Amino acid sequence: DAGITQSPRHKVTETGTPVTLRCHQTENHRYMYWYRQDPGHGLRLIHYSYGVKDTDKGEVSDGYSVSRSKTEDFLLTLESATSSQTSVYFCAISELFPGLAGYPGANVLTFGAGSRLTVL
Amino acid sequence: SQQGEEDPQALSIQEGENATMNCSYKTSINNLQWYRQNSGRGLVHLILIRSNEREKHSGRLRVTLDTSKKSSSLLITASRAADTASYFCATGSANNNDMRFGAGTRLTVKP
Repeated sequence: DAGITQSPRHKVTETGTPVTLRCHQTENHRYMYWYRQDPGHGLRLIHYSYGVKDTDKGEVSDGYSVSRSKTEDFLLTLESATSSQTSVYFCAISELFPGLAGYPGANVLTFGAGSRLTVL
Repeated sequence: SQQGEEDPQALSIQEGENATMNCSYKTSINNLQWYRQNSGRGLVHLILIRSNEREKHSGRLRVTLDTSKKSSSLLITASRAADTASYFCATGSANNNDMRFGAGTRLTVKP
């Protein structure tokens, strides 16, 4: 998966416990993303980062925090896991396709293999 | 809320047939992309079409974009069993960091 490693790949935890998912990339990409995937909802953006210590919220950020202390690592933390956070979590990096004829460039995403989290 | 919505939700065809999947979206976009996901894996980028383009080809893939109807279609010609996967459209706006994905079309190609 293009140098993106997610850990753990599977985790079962109990409601109220903290959980941290790790995304590691080896290709020095500036932008990193955390998505969650649920049946019927496709992928929804949780948080993204545009550099070390630079992060921003996505569509479904409530209940999640992120940190990026090094270019290669982007951590997603659930401070107190709830059953509604049972999901498959995907990390991604983006590469810019250059713009053409005055049109802006487009970010193309490369995804990790996913982390399946079950909150009981 | 998701931006793209794929249709149909599921599609089952025989090997050798063509598969067509559609995507509709709601707001203006800079580009539209299609991704594929095999079971238990991450999504893989297939093809990108910009808002000033109407059609793109890549191997057995053909993508069209109609910005007046806010819709796109993905055609896979001469399908193979290995094409069995879920296919997602994703829209990119002026803020390129918030790509919106649809819920996907599950394609099954029977050998």
